[in-house]
Amino acid sequence: AQSVTQLDSQVPVFEEAPVELRCNYSSSVSVYLFWYVQYPNQGLQLLLKYLSGSTLVESINGFEAEFNKSQTSFHLRKPSVHISDTAEYFCAARTSGTYKYIFGTGTRLKVLA
Amino acid sequence: SQTIHQWPATLVQPVGSPLSLECTVEGTSNPNLYWYRQAAGRGLQLLFYSVGIGQISSEVPQNLSASRPQDRQFILSSKKLLLSDSGFYLCACSHGGVYEQYFGPGTRLTVT
Repeated sequence: AQSVTQLDSQVPVFEEAPVELRCNYSSSVSVYLFWYVQYPNQGLQLLLKYLSGSTLVESINGFEAEFNKSQTSFHLRKPSVHISDTAEYFCAARTSGTYKYIFGTGTRLKVLA
Repeated sequence: SQTIHQWPATLVQPVGSPLSLECTVEGTSNPNLYWYRQAAGRGLQLLFYSVGIGQISSEVPQNLSASRPQDRQFILSSKKLLLSDSGFYLCACSHGGVYEQYFGPGTRLTVT
């Protein structure tokens, strides 16, 4: 069965420092990959997605993620974080031809002043 | 673009009482609809999904049920709530034009 693993439950980082949130997936077929962000008591918002083509995808607020098929990873990175990036981040996968999305358990990013 | 509405935003219910949470979608037709539950400090648990009116797939056996009486309406129900039903309930949709899901604002349910 398909699974998505986020190894880090919490990541503390100082403001303006770089950050990487890790995500690994398991799938033997074509897969679409997503990163979502959730602020307290709100729904999830799509941050970025990989469907096909270029393996590096970027969001409008400075985050990027790289699809690595050989390592089955889709890590999220930002070169310089802000206090406002403090939130929970979820990695998700959807296998081509299916309707279900598999979510990781989330990584709580805490940006320190 | 689609907009997902959920109500109520918060709900406090006693154990054994019934439950009805509603989700409606604007801006798209024939969406795939989903109910997730998020327990405190936990990830998302898929409860139900629907690919059309009257078509409901259940992912977790429990005392909850779902219905889709109209194309863009998805209802989560229970006849008797348990303490373990407490959590943050999220409705989501996807549709043929895009591959990602979009989420509603959520309902915070506390069972006392």
